[in-house]
Amino acid sequence: GQNIDQPTEMTATEGAIVQINCTYQTSGFNGLFWYQQHAGEAPTFLSYNVLDGLEEKGRFSSFLSRSKGYSYLLLKELQMKDSASYLCAVSDSNYQLIWGAGTKLIIKP
Amino acid sequence: ETGVTQTPRHLVMGMTNKKSLKCEQHLGHNAMYWYKQSAKKPLELMFVYNFKEQTENNSVPSRFSPECPNSSHLFLHLHTLQPEDSALYLCASSLERGGPDTQYFGPGTRLTVL
Repeated sequence: GQNIDQPTEMTATEGAIVQINCTYQTSGFNGLFWYQQHAGEAPTFLSYNVLDGLEEKGRFSSFLSRSKGYSYLLLKELQMKDSASYLCAVSDSNYQLIWGAGTKLIIKP
Repeated sequence: ETGVTQTPRHLVMGMTNKKSLKCEQHLGHNAMYWYKQSAKKPLELMFVYNFKEQTENNSVPSRFSPECPNSSHLFLHLHTLQPEDSALYLCASSLERGGPDTQYFGPGTRLTVL
């Protein structure tokens, strides 16, 4: 079966750095997406990785290792507005997105 | 603002009611999706339309009936729902189905079935 694993909840301090991990087992691989979803709002696109390595976009970076079936989202200089759920999704061989259950990130002052 | 709108934002209905959810995208995309999001569960893909043609129906009960009159509009018709159908229903669109295109989501309809 296809499976995406990510921690259910994480807590971090304002101004700090947090890494949210995602491991996957899917039928084929056509890229990995990270989305941010604030409570009661739409998921919004953060990043897309299809090749191994680190993609940096401002305070957010995303890493991929295809051989390990592993990705992480790194958030630096945390702000209170970063409190949200972070969703990991993999595009499989049929380009269907397989979703993780999301990681709820709580930022404390 | 993602370019995808959904109405209503909140809906409470009894099990014998009939209601419809509406989604509209202003992005010029050709693929549209319905997802169900339940607490602490992964997004569940329900239906996919590509160029107005339904391409996927992921074993969704017949009490959910989709309609896609054109590439910009998508409806989900609901009838005789069950309490376990209570969830957030998300609409999304992408350039087209069949590529690793980013999906853009609407804010969702929070559905409560009494």
